[in-house]
Amino acid sequence: GAGVSQSPSNKVTEKGKDVELRCDPISGHTALYWYRQSLGQGLEFLIYFQGNSAPDKSGLPSDRFSAERTGGSVSTLTIQRTQQEDSAVYLCASSFAPYASYEQYFGPGTRLTVT
Amino acid sequence: SQQGEEDPQALSIQEGENATMNCSYKTSINNLQWYRQNSGRGLVHLILIRSNEREKHSGRLRVTLDTSKKSSSLLITASRAADTASYFCATDGPYGGANNLFFGTGTRLTVIP
Repeated sequence: GAGVSQSPSNKVTEKGKDVELRCDPISGHTALYWYRQSLGQGLEFLIYFQGNSAPDKSGLPSDRFSAERTGGSVSTLTIQRTQQEDSAVYLCASSFAPYASYEQYFGPGTRLTVT
Repeated sequence: SQQGEEDPQALSIQEGENATMNCSYKTSINNLQWYRQNSGRGLVHLILIRSNEREKHSGRLRVTLDTSKKSSSLLITASRAADTASYFCATDGPYGGANNLFFGTGTRLTVIP
């Protein structure tokens, strides 16, 4: 079956503009994660969705960042009033079970460049 | 921080040699995972080792876990040019109660043909 997909693959935006990043998880996976990876760094957790539960937003770096997951499937990460420090690769992952004790399946990422 | 740290940050070897990467973490865990990343894009899961396991094999991969030292190692035997990638360890600490994985900063492996 299809893996996790993300769109767009690359996004260049001007400072101050809003951007939306999309993630399509693997069908049937109840857990969905967003991570951010700056150049040459490890992954930074942003937000976690599990079924119909309230999302864990503890990793969002500021109130300019928000995410939603509609119908327990597709997720959108929105960054408002983008700043240059938001430039990074944004990775989405899904898992068939809750919590972090299971393998996560990653999408190819969206490379965001804020000019 | 619960983030792991990989050592070395970069490793360059000849094809056919073995590559060993190490990971240290800070809190107790339920499991530790290793992932591979090509060209700064998506990560691919390699292997998961549980806290009650000491060693695990998968093909040319061998992972060890020492919970007393809070460390793990990933050994790739008979390396190939295609193994060139970044390798990350990830933990679910503390006590496996976190929703997310905590990733290390990665080891950049280059295998020279």
